[in-house]
Amino acid sequence: GQNIDQPTEMTATEGAIVQINCTYQTSGFNGLFWYQQHAGEAPTFLSYNVLDGLEEKGRFSSFLSRSKGYSYLLLKELQMKDSASYLCAALTGGGNKLTFGTGTQLKVEL
Amino acid sequence: ETGVTQTPRHLVMGMTNKKSLKCEQHLGHNAMYWYKQSAKKPLELMFVYNFKEQTENNSVPSRFSPECPNSSHLFLHLHTLQPEDSALYLCASSQDHGETQYFGPGTRLLVL
Repeated sequence: GQNIDQPTEMTATEGAIVQINCTYQTSGFNGLFWYQQHAGEAPTFLSYNVLDGLEEKGRFSSFLSRSKGYSYLLLKELQMKDSASYLCAALTGGGNKLTFGTGTQLKVEL
Repeated sequence: ETGVTQTPRHLVMGMTNKKSLKCEQHLGHNAMYWYKQSAKKPLELMFVYNFKEQTENNSVPSRFSPECPNSSHLFLHLHTLQPEDSALYLCASSQDHGETQYFGPGTRLLVL
């Protein structure tokens, strides 16, 4: 079966850096997505990693290690508006299926 | 209208009712998806359509019946639901299979 693990909750301070980890055990892995979801809203796309390494996009970066089944999302210069759930999702089944983790609820405090 | 839209945004129904959820995407995408999101649980893929053809049914009970008349529209017909079906139902679309999925705002469903 498919298994995606990420911490349930994290708390960080405004202006700081936070790293949200995700480990996965899947068959037919094709890539790893990160989405942000504010309460009561749709998930919005943040990043997609296919190859090993770090992808940087503004304040957000995402890392993938296929051999270790591991990814992380790095958020820099945290802002209050970054308080949200961050969803890790693995693309499997020949690219046909997106399997999600339960999400990490990030709370940014003053 | 831009992106992915869903109607209604909120729905309350009894277990004997029949209702339908509608999703429309204005992105020119070829693939569309239905997901269920329950509290404290991961997003669960329900159905996948590619070029109007169903390519995935993730063991969904028959009381949920999808319909995809064209690549821009996706429906989820609901009948004789159970209280445990109460959840947020999200629609998504992507250019093709395996590409980034863009989500609609969801329909918050409550089954009484």
